[in-house]
Amino acid sequence: KAGVTQTPRYLIKTRGQQVTLSCSPISGHRSVSWYQQTPGQGLQFLFEYFSETQRNKGNFPGRFSGRQFSNSRSEMNVSTLELGDSALYLCASRRDRVPSEETQYFGPGTRLLVL
Amino acid sequence: QKEVEQNSGPLSVPEGAIASLNCTYSDRGSQSFFWYRQYSGKSPELIMFIYSNGDKEDGRFTAQLNKASQYVSLLIRDSQPSDSATYLCAVNFLSGSARQLTFGSGTQLTVLP
Repeated sequence: KAGVTQTPRYLIKTRGQQVTLSCSPISGHRSVSWYQQTPGQGLQFLFEYFSETQRNKGNFPGRFSGRQFSNSRSEMNVSTLELGDSALYLCASRRDRVPSEETQYFGPGTRLLVL
Repeated sequence: QKEVEQNSGPLSVPEGAIASLNCTYSDRGSQSFFWYRQYSGKSPELIMFIYSNGDKEDGRFTAQLNKASQYVSLLIRDSQPSDSATYLCAVNFLSGSARQLTFGSGTQLTVLP
């Protein structure tokens, strides 16, 4: 079974631009979560989508947004990029059909550099 | 604020030794706990999950959970240089009606040949 895939893998943008990252979960997984990882802040939760609805949201500004499609694929968008948005953005999926199916599996990440 | 605390290390052990990684969490109601391994430049990969008090073994890895002490640990027996990585402890906290996975800052482990 294919794992979580993320595109693009690397991205260079300039301040003020916007960016869209894509995530395809493991087949059969309904929940997709997004995380930002930086050396200083570690792995921080951005948001989670389930059945095309945002189920949970972390403490990030409104410039960070996301959505989920009917096939469970998800995108996240960052508008008006700032230098501090440079990070590894990770997507994780889980089956979530029953409460015990909580294990999340991570994709390879998208490394974003903002200049 | 629901928190997960780990010793950041670095932790160095000789090849063949037991590496012990520790984690504490703030929410007594937490039910599920995970250990991930992350190699430099890569994404986290799941090592083990544990839901019940006690020990859970998988090969060279043993996860230990003590809910009364709000403590979870990972033991790596017969450590190998390939085990050198950052180990992330993660706890599923209840946030509203959903569960949110919160990570510790990670412990960097180096296994010396």
